[in-house]
Amino acid sequence: DAMVIQNPRYQVTQFGKPVTLSCSQTLNHNVMYWYQQKSSQAPKLLFHYYDKDFNNEADTPDNFQSRRPNTSFCFLDIRSPGLGDAAMYLCATSGYNQPQHFGDGTRLSIL
Amino acid sequence: DAKTTQPTSMDCAEGRAANLPCNHSTISGNEYVYWYRQIHSQGPQYIIHGLKNNETNEMASLIITEDRKSSTLILPHATLRDTAVYYCIVLISGTYKYIFGTGTRLKVLA
Repeated sequence: DAMVIQNPRYQVTQFGKPVTLSCSQTLNHNVMYWYQQKSSQAPKLLFHYYDKDFNNEADTPDNFQSRRPNTSFCFLDIRSPGLGDAAMYLCATSGYNQPQHFGDGTRLSIL
Repeated sequence: DAKTTQPTSMDCAEGRAANLPCNHSTISGNEYVYWYRQIHSQGPQYIIHGLKNNETNEMASLIITEDRKSSTLILPHATLRDTAVYYCIVLISGTYKYIFGTGTRLKVLA
């Protein structure tokens, strides 16, 4: 009964080659989030959607973009990945008066 | 934005209560405190949250000081499976933004 599903769990891409990570939810939550988590660090919020309203964090690099075509799906696009973008990427959802639910993340490696 | 500070690591003997502190001295009056934990290679898992009053559920208890500047997560009888990183998080008032603390790495010892 997975509620926030991230695919794939592991992704390898080449330096500079665009990559897309995907997230889906079965909770019908309004809000979807993308976090970046590097080794031994706390998750860092990149952006979030409230319905279709996109909210970017001020320090999120332009290299990172997102799409939310419908309530259930959200994508993270990294246009030109650098070595510093290797990390775990976590998707989460939340609704009114509901705590965040996280997926198990996609671990991105850059060759 | 409110920030949280937590000790980097703690040890606890199996079967004992684990008390994990969090300082959130700049929290606003209507900002909730959430606790999550993260086991290696998994996403953070919700534990408990509160605003002013102490809270208890099947996983843990949350004690919030009267001035709301700090809180303590209590795992009443720690088991080896409670070994994880525990994050104290503030939900920013009027937004859907959750601000993570740096986390406490709890090791439960047999």
